[in-house]
Amino acid sequence: SSELTQDPAVSVALGQTVRITCQGDSLRNYYASWYQQKPGQAPLLVFYGKNNRPSGIPDRFSGSSSGNTASLTITGAQAEDEAEYHCKSRAGSGYHLVFGGGTKLSVL
Amino acid sequence: QVQLQESGPGLVKPSQTLSLTCTVSGDSITSGSYYWSWIRQPAGKRLEWIGRFYPRGKDSYNPSLNTRVTISVDTSKNQFSLKLSSVTAADTAVYYCARGWDYYDSSGFDYWGQGTLVTVSS
Repeated sequence: SSELTQDPAVSVALGQTVRITCQGDSLRNYYASWYQQKPGQAPLLVFYGKNNRPSGIPDRFSGSSSGNTASLTITGAQAEDEAEYHCKSRAGSGYHLVFGGGTKLSVL
Repeated sequence: QVQLQESGPGLVKPSQTLSLTCTVSGDSITSGSYYWSWIRQPAGKRLEWIGRFYPRGKDSYNPSLNTRVTISVDTSKNQFSLKLSSVTAADTAVYYCARGWDYYDSSGFDYWGQGTLVTVSS
């Protein structure tokens, strides 16, 4: 299957660490990229590739990948990190991009 | 600073063709380093990649939309456009244009338009 699966919702206490995961067969061959989306806003790239963070993204955002699972970790979550997070990768055949269903992160 | 801006009708009748344009500033859509995509998001649903214009490679479309989608470019205006034919209510979504890249060890969309809501209704 070319689908990417994410948990619909995750919560974290302020200042604690949270891991958001993305599962899919294509992740065995392609790195994921991660997007933060706040209500009414366009997605914002926060992590991509093996270990890349765009300029301006806090270093509390990190990523990893193992087998068919990609993960986005927020170390020391802040209130402003409350958002929906989407993963994206290639699908298995041809050139086709797919997004995960999104994980809504609540910072308590 | 790269900026993208979507424009087009916010209301389209069923069976008609949805047409949107993305105007790019701060980068040339023909530079070749990046490709230019359309992505949509129905309310409460996941983001869906529609397709891309790739100036130095192959244009590609989502297989589920392939027969209804055309992406064209106007290099004189640094714009790229989306046409989606035979629309139904299921095509109601916020439509985004975005700049992307795709290398062996990394890929992503680094700049996005603000998005435009298109409603399909009679």
